[in-house]
Amino acid sequence: QVQLVESGGGVVQPGRSLRLSCAASGFIFSSHAMHWVRQAPGKGLEWVAIISHDAFNQYYADSVKGRFTISRDNSKNTLYLQMISLRVEDTAVFYCARGSGTWGFDQWGQGTLVTVSS
Amino acid sequence: DVVMTQSPLSLPVTLGQPASISCRSSQSLVYTDGNTYLSWFQQRPGQSPRRLIYKVSNRDSGVPDRFSGSGSGTDFTLKISRVEAEDVGVYYCMQDTHRPPTFGGGTKVEIK
Repeated sequence: QVQLVESGGGVVQPGRSLRLSCAASGFIFSSHAMHWVRQAPGKGLEWVAIISHDAFNQYYADSVKGRFTISRDNSKNTLYLQMISLRVEDTAVFYCARGSGTWGFDQWGQGTLVTVSS
Repeated sequence: DVVMTQSPLSLPVTLGQPASISCRSSQSLVYTDGNTYLSWFQQRPGQSPRRLIYKVSNRDSGVPDRFSGSGSGTDFTLKISRVEAEDVGVYYCMQDTHRPPTFGGGTKVEIK
């Protein structure tokens, strides 16, 4: 079955960097676009970024553009999110999700918590 | 960005009774291929979201048939025919017709 396992979350000071990973299994990773979606504590869902199946194209939410970079390694079935210049308002659970349809997604990981605090 | 507006914010329901959640988009969700990319997600307490419905009315594998989706254009509805205890959680609509994909604010379903 499809499994997406995020890692790399933790507590980081404002202005610092963090890299999240998402290990995929149970499907042909290289055939699917992949997303990051986040959820601030007690809040709703916010799409963050998408990368095409072949890594040629990436798109970002305005709130993270220029600070976050999505990438993937199809040989390792792994998705990444490099985050720099982190802000307090980036505090959230970050989920990776498998792409489906146009800009949508079907399967989600369990999430990894990023806390930005001094 | 397309704004998705859900109502109600909170929905107390008696076990075995029906429930209905509304979702409205700020512009039409009909894509150039003729499909309408509107999905519904369920997030149970302490869990990650799970997709229930895609393209307005298609149930994902394993989703009970008491869940149904309907609508067109800018107005959509998720219905639960008979609410069970395991249905407690927050429900989100999401459009992925337009970039970026956007979510409704969520509807919390709880048992009376």
